[in-house]
This record gives sequence, structure tokens and C-alpha cells, in this order.
Amino acid sequence: SQQGEEDPQALSIQEGENATMNCSYKTSINNLQWYRQNSGRGLVHLILIRSNEREKHSGRLRVTLDTSKKSSSLLITASRAADTASYFCLEGGGSEKLVFGKGMKLTVNP
Amino acid sequence: GAVVSQHPSRVICKSGTSVKIECRSLDFQATTMFWYRQFPKQSLMLMATSNEGSKATYEQGVEKDKFLINHASLTLSTLTVTSAHPEDSSFYICSARDAGFTQETQYFGPGTRLLVL
Repeated sequence: SQQGEEDPQALSIQEGENATMNCSYKTSINNLQWYRQNSGRGLVHLILIRSNEREKHSGRLRVTLDTSKKSSSLLITASRAADTASYFCLEGGGSEKLVFGKGMKLTVNP
Repeated sequence: GAVVSQHPSRVICKSGTSVKIECRSLDFQATTMFWYRQFPKQSLMLMATSNEGSKATYEQGVEKDKFLINHASLTLSTLTVTSAHPEDSSFYICSARDAGFTQETQYFGPGTRLLVL
């Protein structure tokens, strides 16, 4: 099993500010995925970055990957109240099962 | 994007009864589905991996006789909580991988909230 660990565990910011979440992992990966979970709901896939990529953008999301440090970061720019959720990183690839870390709770205050 | 549905979304039952939760991939085929459980303010805990046409693989500490999993088709997996007790109250989430692609991304269902009285 593979598990990502998010840092910080909780973050509270004002609307319009940027939010950065970091993730560390321990094993070699094929890709790393970020998910969002709104309170009491299912998970939504946000973005996938492959091991041979260093940076990827999707709308207001920017993900970086540093395989030498086994770390990834998710940047949400110009945050909105609707971005309030828990965010999880997940090592992925192949047929291996995926194990979630504790997640990072982001609160964006209006 | 790929859609995974779960039914029911919420269920309340009496202690001792069995509850069946369905997980369906609506627009793709999934040879592998995963079942997770999430307690309040905690992360998702993988319970079992459901493989179409074969027995499920359970994680350590998960009772296979209590949590029956059936993956009879490429679009449907079911989780039955047998003789449910209050401690089984939780949020159950399934996910599926698209068999037609590289299986990199998991698509999650909206979850089923189970309350056992």
C-alpha cells in the first residue's frame, strides 16, 4: 500500500488568498493524485501529475512534483469560499491499492 | 468525466439487520472497485478491493463475513453489512478504476451514510 501525508493538517485563509498544501510520500511512484472531499461527501479527483512531470496546471490549481524529495504541492490561487474542503494526496499507478493520508482541511473565509 | 453512483445515499437501520450498498460505474467498465469507510473527522480507510468475477481482498482487521462484497458485473459491486451494530455506523465510499484506460485515476461515489440504531 502507498500513502501520502499532507502538510499542514489544517489551513484557514481569507477569500482571494492563495493556499498551498504539501504532500510527502515514501515510495517510488508512477503518478500522484490530488482529491478534494467536501464535508460528508464523496471525493472529487482534482489533478494527476505523472512521475516524469514537474509541474501541472488546471484552472486555479497548480501542482508540483519533486521526486528527489518525494514531495508534491498543491497551490490553489485566488481561493473562494467554495474551496473549503479536505484535500488528499494519493500515490497512484498500476493495480496497487491506494491508501489515503489524513488529509488537509482548508477553510476559506468569505 | 467518469461517474460512479452509490445507493442508497443514506440509510438508518435497527441493530441486527443487514444493509446492502450498491456501487455502480455509470459510463465505464470497472474490473476493480474499492470500498472505504470513513469515520467523522478521519481519513478514508480502505476496507477491501473488489474484483469482478473473483473474491474480494480484505484489509487486515476487516471481517469478510461481516462485510460481504459481491462484484458480479463490470459495472456493479455491492457491500452488505451483515448484522449491523451501532459501531458500524459510518460513511461508506466506493471507488472504481476505468478498465478501458491506464487505471491511473480512481473515481469515487458520493458515499453512503449508515446509521445503526
